[in-house]
Amino acid sequence: GAVVSQHPSWVICKSGTSVKIECRSLDFQATTMFWYRQFPKQSLMLMATSNEGSKATYEQGVEKDKFLINHASLTLSTLTVTSAHPEDSSFYICSARDSRLDIQYFGAGTRLSVL
Amino acid sequence: LAKTTQPISMDSYEGQEVNITCSHNNIATNDYITWYQQFPSQGPRFIIQGYKTKVTNEVASLFIPADRKSSTLSLPRVSLSDTAVYYCLVGVNQAGTALIFGKGTTLSVSS
Repeated sequence: GAVVSQHPSWVICKSGTSVKIECRSLDFQATTMFWYRQFPKQSLMLMATSNEGSKATYEQGVEKDKFLINHASLTLSTLTVTSAHPEDSSFYICSARDSRLDIQYFGAGTRLSVL
Repeated sequence: LAKTTQPISMDSYEGQEVNITCSHNNIATNDYITWYQQFPSQGPRFIIQGYKTKVTNEVASLFIPADRKSSTLSLPRVSLSDTAVYYCLVGVNQAGTALIFGKGTTLSVSS
């Protein structure tokens, strides 16, 4: 099946710094990608919809100035956690829909730990 | 998006068939039913997707009754490696529409 690549898989950063997470669709183009966050023992929560060439759409309660999303090409979306704090520590997962198969695929996730 | 209800947890033994049922009473005409599997610290993995009746692939079968208000994921002869969380999702299958996750079912397979 189609592959969504997410990088890095694990990152540790100091409080106050910014972290960028990349999400790539490897063998298909995606005009829309999605970013989720998952806390331990909980389900995935949709954070935002990333639209190629336009602004992202954020879910209620998600700070757009803190979680910057850029979807510069049909195969790449990035999520930047700005001025990270310990409460931002979580598992971040991206996904993209392969329109050829009508299936939404997910990346392997990024474990962010803010010290 | 339709809300789904699944059992919180299920237990099974190796070699058994496991059936996980999902209720989605408010499913809309254009909604598809999709199941994902998630292991700890990994992204969800697509298992199967269907609209009505029965769908089968190399991993599982999906049974959907005529009223589409529920669906059953069937895993034949589970092994220890099938221990995971299984999510049933219902939504419109189109670009730009995100999948909204419910709580999922934690399946524990023992030897």
